[in-house]
Parts: sequence; C-alpha cells; structure tokens
Amino acid sequence: DAKTTQPPSMDCAEGRAANLPCNHSTISGNEYVYWYRQIHSQGPQYIIHGLKNNETNEMASLIITEDRKSSTLILPHATLRDTAVYYCIALRGVSSNTGKLIFGQGTTLQVKP
Amino acid sequence: GAVVSQHPSWVICKSGTSVKIECRSLDFQATTMFWYRQFPKQSLMLMATSNEGSKATYEQGVEKDKFLINHASLTLSTLTVTSAHPEDSSFYICSARERRGGYEQYFGPGTRLTVT
Repeated sequence: DAKTTQPPSMDCAEGRAANLPCNHSTISGNEYVYWYRQIHSQGPQYIIHGLKNNETNEMASLIITEDRKSSTLILPHATLRDTAVYYCIALRGVSSNTGKLIFGQGTTLQVKP
Repeated sequence: GAVVSQHPSWVICKSGTSVKIECRSLDFQATTMFWYRQFPKQSLMLMATSNEGSKATYEQGVEKDKFLINHASLTLSTLTVTSAHPEDSSFYICSARERRGGYEQYFGPGTRLTVT
C-alpha cells in the first residue's frame, strides 16, 4: 500500500472549516484513500473514504486531486469535539477481504475556541 | 454504525501473569479481526490479523507465542498476553471487518493494560 504524508499538527478555530491535507504521490489505481480519526484514549473512528471522485457524508468531505496524488479532508464547521489525531491511509483490497489498515503518524488537529 | 466492544476496558496485572482481552462484534459478523497496539504518543501498530477458524497471521516482529490470538467465532476474538512484563503495558485495540458492499472496518474502544 502507498505511503501517505501528513503534517504533524494543525490548528483550527471553532466554527471554521478544517482542511487536512494528505500526500499519497505513489498511490496506485486500485488503492482507496481512507480517513480515520482517534480522539484521545479511544479507538479510531471511520470518517470517509474514496477512490477518485470527491465524497461527502455527514461528517466530512473528501477532495481527491485529479491525478490522485493528494487529497484533503474537510470538516466544514469544526467543533472542540473534533480535536483528535486524523489518519490518512491508502488501502488496496477494499472490494475483497484483503488489505490492512496501516496507520502513520497522522495529523493532530487542535480546534481552539 | 456497527459496534465493536472490548473487555476489559482496563486491566492491571502483575509481571509474569497472563491477561486475556476479548473483542466482540455486537451487531454484525466479522469476516476478519485485527489487533493493534499503541504506546503513549505513538501511532497504532498492527500486531496480527485473524480469520474465524484459522490461525492468526502476525506482523513481523510480533511474538506469536507471547500474544496468543483465538478467533473462535464470527463475533469473538481474544488476545492473550502471556507472561506479561512491564514493557507489554500498552493500549490494545481490536478491529473487525464486515462485509457490506465493500468491506467496512470498525474499531473497538481499546483496552489499557498496565503490568506492574
């Protein structure tokens, strides 16, 4: 699975959009981009995933560049409860029962009042 | 969404004893379960992958005789830390994969193990 690169930390003001970038320049055509987050001392929580089209759900939006070498997770109106470590993971084997979620260092997002 | 539970949520044991951690998928059948370990201020590290009724596949560097994994059913996996030592103190997190269209993967709340 492709390696991903994320900034170690980011700050965001409460109520503003949080834009978390992820670089995955070596991603292959059958690898999905997954985003999870981990609030302190809890298990990771699934946020969203996508292949090449932009995706949106009740939690966030995922924007993937046309060349698929990078993506951005957008939390439209960040709240203090969104303070967490956010992980971007490239994963193959979504449509078959293969593939393992391998976590990098992620981005620590601090939402400030 | 699907729920994965772990028991216990925290445990303290003495050095040399064994500890068992249970992971259950509450409202779905898990095709595969995963065990992760997380040390303070570090990311999650995958320890092993297990399928129901099969032997677990361990990641490189993880001692399979020390971390025994049993995947007895489609809803239950257990991790036993044998002869625990203080360096095994960590946050252990299980994850279960469900077949729903593609495969969705959900995480438990974690178990904090402290070995004294």
